[in-house]
Amino acid sequence: GQNIDQPTEMTATEGAIVQINCTYQTSGFNGLFWYQQHAGEAPTFLSYNVLDGLEEKGRFSSFLSRSKGYSYLLLKELQMKDSASYLCAVRNQAGTALIFGKGTTLSVSS
Amino acid sequence: GAGVSQSPRYKVAKRGQDVALRCDPISGHVSLFWYQQALGQGPEFLTYFQNEAQLDKSGLPSDRFFAERPEGSVSTLKIQRTQQEDSAVYLCASSPRGLAIEQFFGPGTRLTVL
Repeated sequence: GQNIDQPTEMTATEGAIVQINCTYQTSGFNGLFWYQQHAGEAPTFLSYNVLDGLEEKGRFSSFLSRSKGYSYLLLKELQMKDSASYLCAVRNQAGTALIFGKGTTLSVSS
Repeated sequence: GAGVSQSPRYKVAKRGQDVALRCDPISGHVSLFWYQQALGQGPEFLTYFQNEAQLDKSGLPSDRFFAERPEGSVSTLKIQRTQQEDSAVYLCASSPRGLAIEQFFGPGTRLTVL
């Protein structure tokens, strides 16, 4: 079966660092993705990991451990505009689908 | 516009009606995906096209759901005899090729079935 778990909600303050965790159990694996979705808008791509380790991209970094079925998204120097839902997704073996978690709603306050 | 577009943006249907949702992917994108997103949930995969070929339809919830992409560009998702549980946002995404890293999502069609 397919199971992707991430916290439902998180809160943080401007300028802080927040880590959003994701654990997955899927029948196949062809990469792990993080997407950002503001309320009422389309998801937008943030990061991609296929090998173990950390990928850094400006204020955002993503980590993957395939043996543990674990990833996290690290957001630094938080800004109010970072308030959004963050979606963890695993691509299936055939590459035909992204399997999404339910998303983590992050609220950034001043 | 250079992005994925979807129409209509909002659709209200009475239970039992048929609806058709349209997706215009980014020009030249080979791969096209449909997802269903219920309120407060992540998107759920429905179906995948590579050009005009529907290579994966494992996510379609019932035979009331049908998708096509006859010329390998525009795609239509059709839902027959709509039911209240079909109420959701239907997202379309495209990517340049099969295993491209990024899928580009459209704004979605919000379907409400009364």
